[in-house]
Amino acid sequence: NAGVTQTPKFQVLKTGQSMTLQCAQDMNHNSMYWYRQDPGMGLRLIYYSASEGTTDKGEVPNGYNVSRLNKREFSLRLESAAPSQTSVYFCASIQSTPGELPQHFGDGTRLSIL
Amino acid sequence: DAKTTQPTSMDCAEGRAANLPCNHSTISGNEYVYWYRQIHSQGPQYIIHGLKNNETNEMASLIITEDRKSSTLILPHATLRDTAVYYCIASNYGGSQGNLIFGKGTKLSVKP
Repeated sequence: NAGVTQTPKFQVLKTGQSMTLQCAQDMNHNSMYWYRQDPGMGLRLIYYSASEGTTDKGEVPNGYNVSRLNKREFSLRLESAAPSQTSVYFCASIQSTPGELPQHFGDGTRLSIL
Repeated sequence: DAKTTQPTSMDCAEGRAANLPCNHSTISGNEYVYWYRQIHSQGPQYIIHGLKNNETNEMASLIITEDRKSSTLILPHATLRDTAVYYCIASNYGGSQGNLIFGKGTKLSVKP
């Protein structure tokens, strides 16, 4: 039972490069989320997908795009990476029922942009 | 989601109970109180949650005041591995976003 799997675990990019962060969950959860965490800070929501086929902006969506490929997978794309996007990115999923087991998180992708 | 307030840091002796307070004075009736922790740079780990009643599981106990304006997470016998940042969150997953709003949490240091 893998839970939430994120790939890659580490990545170094140059300014202006693009890349896609992958996230997959095997718990049949409806909702999936992308957060970023900067040093000494809490998590901030980038985008979320309440169900397959829908996506919505969170607190800090600028510079990112997302795709909910199917119920299992939710990817985050940086079209033109900037140093300000250096962060740790976490993907999470929940079943979306109030009071049910809350979000399960992946182990994160550590992204450095030079 | 209701705003929560937690102390920035706390220390606890190994083997003693760690009591982590959280204030959520603006919590609404349908919002649950969730506790997560983050060890080093790992993904946040769910600990426990509750609505009105006190809750206990294999990891911790959650005590919610009768007016629901504050709560306390209790780690009964803290170990060095419990050193982490602990987040208290008040949220209703039935809302339009269903996301959790993480603040800066409480950094708990368990000392030998």
